[in-house]
Amino acid sequence: DQQVKQNSPSLSVQEGRISILNCDYTNSMFDYFLWYKKYPAEGPTFLISISSIKDKNEDGRFTVFLNKSAKHLSLHIVPSQPGDSAVYFCAARATGNQFYFGTGTSLTVIP
Amino acid sequence: NAGVMQNPRHLVRRRGQEARLRCSPMKGHSHVYWYRQLPEEGLKFMVYLQKENIIDESGMPKERFSAEFPKEGPSILRIQQVVRGDSAAYFCASSPSETLSGNQPQHFGDGTRLSIL
Repeated sequence: DQQVKQNSPSLSVQEGRISILNCDYTNSMFDYFLWYKKYPAEGPTFLISISSIKDKNEDGRFTVFLNKSAKHLSLHIVPSQPGDSAVYFCAARATGNQFYFGTGTSLTVIP
Repeated sequence: NAGVMQNPRHLVRRRGQEARLRCSPMKGHSHVYWYRQLPEEGLKFMVYLQKENIIDESGMPKERFSAEFPKEGPSILRIQQVVRGDSAAYFCASSPSETLSGNQPQHFGDGTRLSIL
């Protein structure tokens, strides 16, 4: 039962363009959403988050959008850089401080 | 990085042996989570612990797997009688107490890569 889904296993984007990573969830009780970035042989690194009471949070080149009615979360990276190439996981927190992760999207930024 | 520390980074075991994976959370963090990542797959939740308590172990296989987070010392994920299918990367994450800090992300260690011969 996958409560958080990332339907695109991979994405390729030209350097300088926008990368848009998508995530869908099923549990309307999730109250906090996060994006993590993961390089090979390393643990996931926290990138950006958003509370369920907001619809947008921006941090430099990274912006997370939350559409609660559609149960949809997205991460925008602009401009994309080769160093952004990694696997990106979205995650959501349920009551009881439990976190659910998507299966990841592998982003490749082409120089 | 005085973050979440996992050891060993790599662990090789033969079928039937026991594997012990350790995780020291970030300073001040009282919640620990264990995840497993199989090749070409995402992070699968295994267990969520607070000091001396298992809060949620719904992701743990019913047999051979156990976890603890004692009052003193690191959290331990223990796999008894390992089989080939246990080969994976095991990640630990920690977070502060929710009630003290509101919305706080989990912070991950770099994982233990378990290989079963």
